[in-house]
Amino acid sequence: DAGVTQSPTHLIKTRGQQVTLRCSPKSGHDTVSWYQQALGQGPQFIFQYYEEEERQRGNFPDRFSGHQFPNYSSELNVNALLLGDSALYLCASSLSAGLNTEAFFGQGTRLTVV
Amino acid sequence: SQKIEQNSEALNIQEGKTATLTCNYTNYSPAYLQWYRQDPGRGPVFLLLIRENEKEKRKERLKVTFDTTLKQSLFHITASQPADSATYLCALDMSGGSYIPTFGRGTSLIVHP
Repeated sequence: DAGVTQSPTHLIKTRGQQVTLRCSPKSGHDTVSWYQQALGQGPQFIFQYYEEEERQRGNFPDRFSGHQFPNYSSELNVNALLLGDSALYLCASSLSAGLNTEAFFGQGTRLTVV
Repeated sequence: SQKIEQNSEALNIQEGKTATLTCNYTNYSPAYLQWYRQDPGRGPVFLLLIRENEKEKRKERLKVTFDTTLKQSLFHITASQPADSATYLCALDMSGGSYIPTFGRGTSLIVHP
């Protein structure tokens, strides 16, 4: 079992550009959540996808969008990049919603905006 | 507003001692609380979940308590080892039962040999 895999691991983009990050969930998991983690901070929830639809969204602007595919993999897109978007972007997968849901995180994508 | 507070200062302890980390929250009554471990440059790894109706949960050298009156969780690592050095995050469901964990900023634990 490969667990949660994210690509790429590192990325450097220029302010104003667009970026797409990818996530493959743990085998058997159907729910994918995305988090942004700035240095020295805890992960901040961006949104969650289930059955190819955005189910919950955190306090992030519309520049952040996502998609979930029929195989449960997911993409995070960020448009019009700002310097403040530099962070570790984490994908977490879980099995539906539930009180005992344990989230499995990928290793993250380190995004640097210059 | 809702807040999750973890000590931002690193906790330094000697190998073999018990490490105790604190997570305080305000203005909410979460259905559950989770603890995660995070190593530098890696994603968090789930350790334990404790529900609001549970006072204590144990797993090997780990123990978590959950006091809904004090709005506080304590995370203990007994017989600590240098390999336990990491950042420990607490996470709570602060979104009305939608099971989206909201994370604290974490506390760094350094275990000295």
